[in-house]
Amino acid sequence: ELKVEQNPLFLSMQEGKNYTIYCNYSTTSDRLYWYRQDPGKSLESLFVLLSNGAVKQEGRLMASLDTKARLSTLHITAAVHDLSATYFCAVDASGTYKYIFGTGTRLKVLA
Amino acid sequence: KAGVTQTPRYLIKTRGQQVTLSCSPISGHRSVSWYQQTPGQGLQFLFEYFSETQRNKGNFPGRFSGRQFSNSRSEMNVSTLELGDSALYLCASREGWEGYTFGSGTRLTVV
Repeated sequence: ELKVEQNPLFLSMQEGKNYTIYCNYSTTSDRLYWYRQDPGKSLESLFVLLSNGAVKQEGRLMASLDTKARLSTLHITAAVHDLSATYFCAVDASGTYKYIFGTGTRLKVLA
Repeated sequence: KAGVTQTPRYLIKTRGQQVTLSCSPISGHRSVSWYQQTPGQGLQFLFEYFSETQRNKGNFPGRFSGRQFSNSRSEMNVSTLELGDSALYLCASREGWEGYTFGSGTRLTVV
């Protein structure tokens, strides 16, 4: 069964600091996605990573994918309060049409 | 362009009743997925449809069913509602391997 695990589950960090969220998955996949969810809201697509070694950056967030290690990272640079949200990774399991989300990382950036 | 529209936004039902939720995807998107989101279980995959065909289904009992119409609109049905079915039900659509666009969800409360 495909499992997608994120760590940490909760992250409280100071503004201006850097941190990395990790997403590990248990099956073959070349496609990984990152989403953001604000409290009481739906999910918003952040990054689409479609091959080994893919790296995408938007503002203070950078995502990368290592399909051999079955690992994706979401790196936060110089965090600001507006980044406070829950971040999910999701994996497109090859050949199954199953799109499985990770456990989510609740990020709180303290002023 | 118009986003993913889910109706109704809120629903209160009694145990044993059944419910139908509706989703209108973004025009041109043929893939529609449904998820159940709860605080304890996170985002759980329910089904994925493409051009009226269910391509995969998550680990939910047979009380959960769905369908997709020729215009890509989708419905999901839950019969014999249980208290544990209370959740936010999210629909999402995409075309190709892009990230999913999510609707605002239907908040179902079973009493």
